[in-house]
Amino acid sequence: DGGITQSPKYLFRKEGQNVTLSCEQNLNHDAMYWYRQDPGQGLRLIYYSQIVNDFQKGDIAEGYSVSREKKESFPLTVTSAQKNPTAFYLCASRFDRVYTGELFFGEGSRLTVL
Amino acid sequence: GNSVTQMEGPVTLSEEAFLTINCTYTATGYPSLFWYVQYPGEGLQLLLKATKADDKGSNKGFEATYRKETTSFHLEKGSVQVSDSAVYFCALAQAGTALIFGKGTTLSVSS
Repeated sequence: DGGITQSPKYLFRKEGQNVTLSCEQNLNHDAMYWYRQDPGQGLRLIYYSQIVNDFQKGDIAEGYSVSREKKESFPLTVTSAQKNPTAFYLCASRFDRVYTGELFFGEGSRLTVL
Repeated sequence: GNSVTQMEGPVTLSEEAFLTINCTYTATGYPSLFWYVQYPGEGLQLLLKATKADDKGSNKGFEATYRKETTSFHLEKGSVQVSDSAVYFCALAQAGTALIFGKGTTLSVSS
């Protein structure tokens, strides 16, 4: 079945540690996205990538980093510079940057900083 | 810039009640419009969409009509069920940009 796989589903981190969230898709989509979800704030865009080896900052990129070395993979690193990293993180993909169609989402990763 | 505004929640209804969740947008040109649903602890699923003015999206008894004159895409369902309890997000898309989401509306349906 085609889809988006995020891992891990739950992650705990101590303050000062970096952590990487995985996102893999087998939908052959060009564009991939990372959103952060906090209660009452909806979804906020962290980073997005419309093509391999290229990515752009979203609205809340500070304290995060990404890479896009392969079409199917778009990992997100939450660095120690992110002041409030506890949140639910959602990865999504879309066919391409021109298409105005829907996003397909993964199941999410919940990060808790202890 | 582009934006989406949806009604504040939570919305609390009894089973079989009529549901309306308002959504209005600001955008240049002709965006595509979507409603997504999120069940607890899960990612978002597409509920319905409309790609041009006057289009009606529908799925699982939910409907929404793309109204360009009022820049709205309100979600409706004639008779809600307990299983409809979830968070609903309105969103818009334009070519070359990421989707823009509203803040979400929590729906709670009791039997």
